[in-house]
Amino acid sequence: KNQVEQSPQSLIILEGKNCTLQCNYTVSPFSNLRWYKQDTGRGPVSLTIMTFSENTKSNGRYTATLDADTKQSSLHITASQLSDSASYICVVSEGMRFGAGTRLTVKP
Amino acid sequence: DGGITQSPKYLFRKEGQNVTLSCEQNLNHDAMYWYRQDPGQGLRLIYYSQIVNDFQKGDIAEGYSVSREKKESFPLTVTSAQKNPTAFYLCASSADETGELFFGEGSRLTVL
Repeated sequence: KNQVEQSPQSLIILEGKNCTLQCNYTVSPFSNLRWYKQDTGRGPVSLTIMTFSENTKSNGRYTATLDADTKQSSLHITASQLSDSASYICVVSEGMRFGAGTRLTVKP
Repeated sequence: DGGITQSPKYLFRKEGQNVTLSCEQNLNHDAMYWYRQDPGQGLRLIYYSQIVNDFQKGDIAEGYSVSREKKESFPLTVTSAQKNPTAFYLCASSADETGELFFGEGSRLTVL
C-alpha cells in the first residue's frame, strides 16, 4: 500500500534554532517528492522538488534531502524565523494527495 | 499576473441551500483540483479534472458537484446533501498530474 508518513506531527522550537522534519514513504513507482509549506488559512506553496537522482536541494534556509534507497526524505530549516511557523507537507509522486504534515511553531 | 482566483473568500449559507464556489486560473494549466480542509487536518481531495469536459471523484466527493466546461474554470457546488459543509475550501491547478500544484487563497464556508 502506498503510504507517506511524516514525523514529528508537531514541533515547537525557539527562534534562531535549526530543525529537521522527516518524511518516509512506500510509494511506488517513485517520480518525484515535493515539500510544501502551508501557512494557516492559506494554500500550500511548493518549497522544493526532488527527483530520483537528487540527494540534496536547497531553497534559502530550507534544505531537502532524499535517500531513494531507504525511501526517506528530510527538510532541514536553518536559523528558524517566526514566519517559518506553518505546516510542512511531503507529497510523493501522485501530486494531488496531501497528508496533515508536520506542524511547526517557532517561538520568540 | 498569472494565478488562481477563488471567490468568494467568505460565504455563509443556511442549511438546505446549495452554494457554488468559483475557481478561475490563467496559468494555462490542464489539471485543476478542489480540496476541503477542516481545522488541524490535512487537505482532502474532493474532485479533480485533468482536462476540459472531464473530471473525476476524489476521496470525499459525496455531496459535491463540479463542472469543467472551460480550461480556466472549475466551479464547485456544495449541495444540501453534504451533511457537514462548514470548512475551508481550496482550489488548485497544475500543468499535469505530477506537477507542482498552485493554490488559490481559499473560500471559507460557514453553514448557519
